[in-house]
Amino acid sequence: DQQVKQNSPSLSVQEGRISILNCDYTNSMFDYFLWYKKYPAEGPTFLISISSIKDKNEDGRFTVFLNKSAKHLSLHIVPSQPGDSAVYFCAASVRGSQGNLIFGKGTKLSVKP
Amino acid sequence: GAVVSQHPSWVICKSGTSVKIECRSLDFQATTMFWYRQFPKQSLMLMATSNEGSKATYEQGVEKDKFLINHASLTLSTLTVTSAHPEDSSFYICSTKPNEGDSNYGYTFGSGTRLTVV
Repeated sequence: DQQVKQNSPSLSVQEGRISILNCDYTNSMFDYFLWYKKYPAEGPTFLISISSIKDKNEDGRFTVFLNKSAKHLSLHIVPSQPGDSAVYFCAASVRGSQGNLIFGKGTKLSVKP
Repeated sequence: GAVVSQHPSWVICKSGTSVKIECRSLDFQATTMFWYRQFPKQSLMLMATSNEGSKATYEQGVEKDKFLINHASLTLSTLTVTSAHPEDSSFYICSTKPNEGDSNYGYTFGSGTRLTVV
């Protein structure tokens, strides 16, 4: 049973436009959510996170929105750049538990010049 | 920031042999290390949690006798894939756990190890 779901395996966006990556979760105990960017054969790189007590967190071109009632979060990248092309993973954790992250399957973002 | 050094980055081994993967925390102490495995087009799946000085905790379905984890010091955790088979071919990644009071971006990942068993 997948607790973190990224239903879009891929997304293609034109440079300069907005990229929206979606993530759904089923475990209401999750209280922290993170987005990671990953290139092939490399470890994930942290992008942005959000606590369950917030509904939005912004860092430069990256904004994460959290809708707890819908158990849904999204990552907005604007403007998108070709260098953003990578696989993006949504992850969730429960503070106070063993502490590991639960990952979605990832969405491959392609930003075309 | 915190850095986790993972080696080797890739390895090809023959079926039946063993492979050791190392993760070292540089400039900080990692009492807990998570080991993940990622198959193609799949998510990172937690295999086990290693704690310095104690036995690792394995996730359901992960054979502890096959995937030996040693966390003998606060800066080094190792994963040894014993008697490797082609189905063990995967991408293995380690991650530290944030210390109490740290923000959750304290999860620091190694660069991963691509294991191919032929």
